[in-house]
Amino acid sequence: ETGVTQSPTHLIKTRGQQVTLRCSSQSGHNTVSWYQQALGQGPQFIFQYYREEENGRGNFPPRFSGLQFPNYSSELNVNALELDDSALYLCASSLAGPGANVLTFGAGSRLTVL
Amino acid sequence: DQQVKQNSPSLSVQEGRISILNCDYTNSMFDYFLWYKKYPAEGPTFLISISSIKDKNEDGRFTVFLNKSAKHLSLHIVPSQPGDSAVYFCAAYSGAGSYQLTFGKGTKLSVIP
Repeated sequence: ETGVTQSPTHLIKTRGQQVTLRCSSQSGHNTVSWYQQALGQGPQFIFQYYREEENGRGNFPPRFSGLQFPNYSSELNVNALELDDSALYLCASSLAGPGANVLTFGAGSRLTVL
Repeated sequence: DQQVKQNSPSLSVQEGRISILNCDYTNSMFDYFLWYKKYPAEGPTFLISISSIKDKNEDGRFTVFLNKSAKHLSLHIVPSQPGDSAVYFCAAYSGAGSYQLTFGKGTKLSVIP
């Protein structure tokens, strides 16, 4: 059983640029969520995708967008990067239905915005 | 406004002793609580959970206690082992079918051999 894998592990961007982060869900999972973890903070919910549609969104601006593909993999896109976007971005997958509360996280993509 | 609070940023415990990590919440709609453990350079891993209809859940060395009236939960680790050294996050869901997990800031546990 493969876990959640994310790429890239680290990247550096400059303010105003755009970034795409990728995530492969754990085998058998059909729901994917993205979280942002700033330094010294707990993970913060960005959004969740189920059946290729956004299923819920946290308090993040529209320049944060996502996609879920038929194979349940996912992308997080951030446009017009700001310095405060520097954080660890965590992808988590789960299976909709009973047990859906337990998320399986990837190791994250660490984004630095200069 | 932090809805899940872990007021102790760090905790040091001797190996073999009990570790007690605390978590308070403000949102009375939360009805399912989880603890995650995070090692450096790894993602958070699920440890144990508890539904609001229970006041205790046990899994091996780990026990979570829930006091709904006080809006407080705690994670007990007995006996503590050096491999337990990690950051522990308390998290909560509100309502059936809820998709958003709300996390605390975490407590860094150091178990001293």
